[in-house]
Amino acid sequence: AQSVAQPEDQVNVAEGNPLTVKCTYSVSGNPYLFWYVQYPNRGLQFLLKYITGDNLVKGSYGFEAEFNKSQTSFHLKKPSALVSDSALYFCAVRETGANNLFFGTGTRLTVIP
Amino acid sequence: DAGVTQSPTHLIKTRGQQVTLRCSPKSGHDTVSWYQQALGQGPQFIFQYYEEEERQRGNFPDRFSGHQFPNYSSELNVNALLLGDSALYLCASSLGPTGYTFGSGTRLTVV
Repeated sequence: AQSVAQPEDQVNVAEGNPLTVKCTYSVSGNPYLFWYVQYPNRGLQFLLKYITGDNLVKGSYGFEAEFNKSQTSFHLKKPSALVSDSALYFCAVRETGANNLFFGTGTRLTVIP
Repeated sequence: DAGVTQSPTHLIKTRGQQVTLRCSPKSGHDTVSWYQQALGQGPQFIFQYYEEEERQRGNFPDRFSGHQFPNYSSELNVNALLLGDSALYLCASSLGPTGYTFGSGTRLTVV
């Protein structure tokens, strides 16, 4: 069975500092991994995905994520946080042969001015 | 190019009633998935429609049903509403397995 863990419910970071939002996963076979962001009262906005290839994936708004197969992790990173990055971030996985995304419980990122 | 459109944005229903939510997929997308996001939780997969048939279903009771039309739009129906059905319902469309685009959701409140 597939699962996604986002171990931190809340991450606080000062504006201009680097940020990391953690995600680990468990699936059968090779995973498809995704990061989405959700602003208040809005749907999910796509940030980036890993399907295959280079372990470092670059996405929207300066975000990137590194796929680490041995640690089954897919942490989201950004070199310099902006106040506007404050939102709820979801990691999701799609198992090979499945048609659905399985989401983590989300991490609330707060960037402090 | 419009993204995924969901209607209505908000609605309030009484316990025991039935509700229909609607979704128009992104142009060019042929697959529609529905997710339920309860307050403070991640989205949970309800079901997916492709070629007007339910292709996969999550762990939701039969009170949750759906339909996909020839133009790829979709409806989610929930019968015999419970207070616990209160949530944000998200529609996602895709073409193939890796490009999921989400709508802004329908906020359902059951009282």
